[in-house]
Amino acid sequence: DTAVSQTPKYLVTQMGNDKSIKCEQNLGHDTMYWYKQDSKKFLKIMFSYNNKELIINETVPNRFSPKSPDKAHLNLHINSLELGDSAVYFCASSLRAGVETQYFGPGTRLLVL
Amino acid sequence: GQQVMQIPQYQHVQEGEDFTTYCNSSTTLSNIQWYKQRPGGHPVFLIQLVKSGEVKKQKRLTFQFGEAKKNSSLHITATQTTDVGTYFCAPNFGNEKLTFGTGTRLTIIP
Repeated sequence: DTAVSQTPKYLVTQMGNDKSIKCEQNLGHDTMYWYKQDSKKFLKIMFSYNNKELIINETVPNRFSPKSPDKAHLNLHINSLELGDSAVYFCASSLRAGVETQYFGPGTRLLVL
Repeated sequence: GQQVMQIPQYQHVQEGEDFTTYCNSSTTLSNIQWYKQRPGGHPVFLIQLVKSGEVKKQKRLTFQFGEAKKNSSLHITATQTTDVGTYFCAPNFGNEKLTFGTGTRLTIIP
């Protein structure tokens, strides 16, 4: 059983399109995260939700909008995709917010053409 | 500001040689975690260090947390091809998020 799953695994799209990435965790964790990893492998946190409430919102363009329908799901919608959005997006979860171990999903490789 | 520097950025070692990556902060840390990401994979938790001067071992891996809780290191003894990947430190500065280091990419020459 996959603990943290993401769909799709790969996403190739044109500039200007709108796309969504979905994430689900079956660990019973309260906190979920979205990270962006660029071509240089730098891993940057974008958002975090704790029990469906947004607790971390880093400096991210407002074209990126997270949504957490329940604490097991955290989706990421991206409007008007740009070339610079090409990256690997990782979802992660932890038991609680703060210093808990984070469990990462397999990643979604987004390529904007 | 809360910054962390991880060095080296890349390390190529002969199989069987040792490897060390360092994570340095300008401010005192609450704790620090270490993650490993295999090529094409996702980060996987290795360990968490909390106490000043703490040393933890996992088989050939030794993790240290500095006395001042501003730096940490991961040392691998006698590297194997399975050690290939990027190693990230992830310090916590006392807030609700981890700040991942820039990572050290380890390649092994067989």
